[in-house]
Amino acid sequence: GAVVSQHPSWVICKSGTSVKIECRSLDFQATTMFWYRQFPKQSLMLMATSNEGSKATYEQGVEKDKFLINHASLTLSTLTVTSAHPEDSSFYICSAGGGGRTEAFFGQGTRLTVV
Amino acid sequence: AQSVTQPDIHITVSEGASLELRCNYSYGATPYLFWYVQSPGQGLQLLLKYFSGDTLVQGIKGFEAEFKRSQSSFNLRKPSVHWSDAAEYFCARTKGATNKLIFGTGTLLAVQP
Repeated sequence: GAVVSQHPSWVICKSGTSVKIECRSLDFQATTMFWYRQFPKQSLMLMATSNEGSKATYEQGVEKDKFLINHASLTLSTLTVTSAHPEDSSFYICSAGGGGRTEAFFGQGTRLTVV
Repeated sequence: AQSVTQPDIHITVSEGASLELRCNYSYGATPYLFWYVQSPGQGLQLLLKYFSGDTLVQGIKGFEAEFKRSQSSFNLRKPSVHWSDAAEYFCARTKGATNKLIFGTGTLLAVQP
């Protein structure tokens, strides 16, 4: 399988600050990247889909101004949680697809805690 | 709407016993199907996947799953559970003709000594 690296693995930030999470495909060109969120003891929910060089597509109920997604290159997508609040504390995980692959591959996830 | 159902929220089995975790998908043509395992505080590890062909799929760690079109099911099995298998298991399907995944609610597996 392909390798997708997510950074940081965990982050603690103060309420009101912004946090950036990176998702990198290390050995293939990811034309599409997906961002998921998992609240404690719950399943993963798709937040948005990003395609290289174009605007991200957000799922219903996800605030695009709060969760800024940038997919500037074929190997990097970033998710910025702006003006974070404690309710944004969650596990964020990305997956990368494309490059002729039939499936998307997951990063290790980022645990965000907003205090 | 496309969905994935995992009817069992929590299952406890004894070490060495067999295991079957249920998964049903709904709507439309056969999607790609996946089983992932997640240990506490960790990311997802792919156990196995079904795209087409042989309906019995072998995965890592001794797991297998059988796709049954007539039942819209993709149940995960393991003949003999090990204590290290205790984790949460997620069934997932693709959403339409994309690589987006729709996840089930997960089944938390506990293993008794």
